[in-house]
Amino acid sequence: QQQVKQSPQSLIVQKGGISIINCAYENTAFDYFPWYQQFPGKGPALLIAIRPDVSEKKEGRFTISFNKSAKQFSLHIMDSQPGDSATYFCAAAARGSQGNLIFGKGTKLSVKP
Amino acid sequence: EADIYQTPRYLVIGTGKKITLECSQTMGHDKMYWYQQDPGMELHLIHYSYGVNSTEKGDLSSESTVSRIRTEHFPLTLESARPSHTSQYLCASSEYWAGNGYTFGSGTRLTVV
Repeated sequence: QQQVKQSPQSLIVQKGGISIINCAYENTAFDYFPWYQQFPGKGPALLIAIRPDVSEKKEGRFTISFNKSAKQFSLHIMDSQPGDSATYFCAAAARGSQGNLIFGKGTKLSVKP
Repeated sequence: EADIYQTPRYLVIGTGKKITLECSQTMGHDKMYWYQQDPGMELHLIHYSYGVNSTEKGDLSSESTVSRIRTEHFPLTLESARPSHTSQYLCASSEYWAGNGYTFGSGTRLTVV
């Protein structure tokens, strides 16, 4: 049973376009939702994270949108650049538990020049 | 500088050999993790540890074993390597609550011939 469902599996976007990756979860105890970015040959690195008390968080060209009632959150990359080409993982964790981060299956983003 | 180190970065080894993948972190994190990942694909949790002398199996069955004798060190051992073990192995660490994010190492790319 996968607790965090991520889509699409792969995404091709033209330079300057908007990249959108979606995640959905079932566990209402989750209250920390990070996104990780992974380049080939590297480990994933924390990109941006949100907690459910806000509906949106923006850092530069990267924005997380969070919909608590729908149990969904998404990553938007504005003005996508070829350097953004990477695999992106959403994840979720529950506060106060010994639980680990639950990762989505990943989205491979390619930004074409 | 706080970081997490994995050695070796690349390893090519013959079938039947015993290998140990090293992982060390300088952040004093309680929790450490091992993930198996085919390049750009899903992260599979194979082992984790809550602290010294604590080890747990992850979601993906693995023939590897781990130990946690010191807080900063979490090595992974394969007693008899097989071609099916060919993969990338990522080590990560976090504070006790995962909601402060994971720090990943750069990984060990293992090839068993």
